[in-house]
Amino acid sequence: DTEVTQTPKHLVMGMTNKKSLKCEQHMGHRAMYWYKQKAKKPPELMFVYSYEKLSINESVPSRFSPECPNSSLLNLHLHALQPEDSALYLCASSQDGTSVYNEQFFGPGTRLTVL
Amino acid sequence: AQKVTQAQTEISVVEKEDVTLDCVYETRDTTYYLFWYKQPPSGELVFLIRRNSFDEQNEISGRYSWNFQKSTSSFNFTITASQVVDSAVYFCALSEPNTGNQFYFGTGTSLTVIP
Repeated sequence: DTEVTQTPKHLVMGMTNKKSLKCEQHMGHRAMYWYKQKAKKPPELMFVYSYEKLSINESVPSRFSPECPNSSLLNLHLHALQPEDSALYLCASSQDGTSVYNEQFFGPGTRLTVL
Repeated sequence: AQKVTQAQTEISVVEKEDVTLDCVYETRDTTYYLFWYKQPPSGELVFLIRRNSFDEQNEISGRYSWNFQKSTSSFNFTITASQVVDSAVYFCALSEPNTGNQFYFGTGTSLTVIP
């Protein structure tokens, strides 16, 4: 199984809502990532979990809260988002978070719209 | 400074034409890795190739080929006999040891293959 799955595929939420994005992989990878991608732009790294510990937080606003319940799951909790947070949110995984040569495998993304 | 430059923002070719996507990178490390990803309209980034800095051999995979030249810091990607299914955004990325497992993505090249 070489797949990273993400749910939901689409999400529309108001600025006062609380929602969560979910990501799952069963490749035995020990590093997982959240990226944000705006239209016609490259993905921007938000968070990296390595061996279930947060290793990189790219100065992301606190209205985004990541969680890694186990090595296969990664969540992104959303609260009090702004319309400018509307984007494609991509999850990725790689074999581990310390080796620079590991390719990252990406999920299909969640397209988020904040009204 | 941009570590990965993809100067071609958009390219259109007619089906069966060959097309080359350019990627120029910048690094002070002697060990680094370069990647190409394809992002079709569905949104998922698909891993295409990884190349380490010590391996300058060109690689061919079916209609895809890659030309890595350290002397010009370039890692170009050629699609031979393009097909409509090749229409996508293509990203070149760099990873370096001293930044952990972060990818530096280029801004992407949007390729449209016209039938």
